[in-house]
Amino acid sequence: SQTIHQWPATLVQPVGSPLSLECTVEGTSNPNLYWYRQAAGRGLQLLFYSVGIGQISSEVPQNLSASRPQDRQFILSSKKLLLSDSGFYLCAWSVGYSNQPQHFGDGTRLSIL
Amino acid sequence: SQQGEEDPQALSIQEGENATMNCSYKTSINNLQWYRQNSGRGLVHLILIRSNEREKHSGRLRVTLDTSKKSSSLLITASRAADTASYFCATGTGNQFYFGTGTSLTVIP
Repeated sequence: SQTIHQWPATLVQPVGSPLSLECTVEGTSNPNLYWYRQAAGRGLQLLFYSVGIGQISSEVPQNLSASRPQDRQFILSSKKLLLSDSGFYLCAWSVGYSNQPQHFGDGTRLSIL
Repeated sequence: SQQGEEDPQALSIQEGENATMNCSYKTSINNLQWYRQNSGRGLVHLILIRSNEREKHSGRLRVTLDTSKKSSSLLITASRAADTASYFCATGTGNQFYFGTGTSLTVIP
């Protein structure tokens, strides 16, 4: 069966520090991969999605970036975190064709101090 | 914006009652999905309805879709305390999904 792992579960970082969040999927090949951010009590904002290795589409201009170095690995990064980067970050995957559900990891709670 | 909007924002009902949540969206879609999120956790997929479908059932869940009104509803019948969660609709076009702001459902035992 397919599983998705996201880590760390919680992270506290100072303003201006770098960020690296990792997401890996097991049990499937060539998935579509997604990064979302959820502000407290709000809906999900699509940040990035990828349909293949090295293929990244950005939805929102920001100081975050994403990379997909391997088929089932998706990384969210920042060189310098801002206070506004605080939030709940969720990684998800779906089968690589339309009309398919998304499967989410348990998220990373990021707090910027 | 391509995001859906759920209504109501919050709903509180007694165990055993039915819960109805609505979702409105603005653009053409291939499908509409409903997800559930327990506090502090990731989202769990509940049901997907394609744009050429009008109604779909899964256990105690019933979803309707009216593409002419760009709206969908999620009905949870015979609610249980364990149904307490936030519920989101997501509209899909191709490889992209856009989520609404959610309905927070509280089921009182």
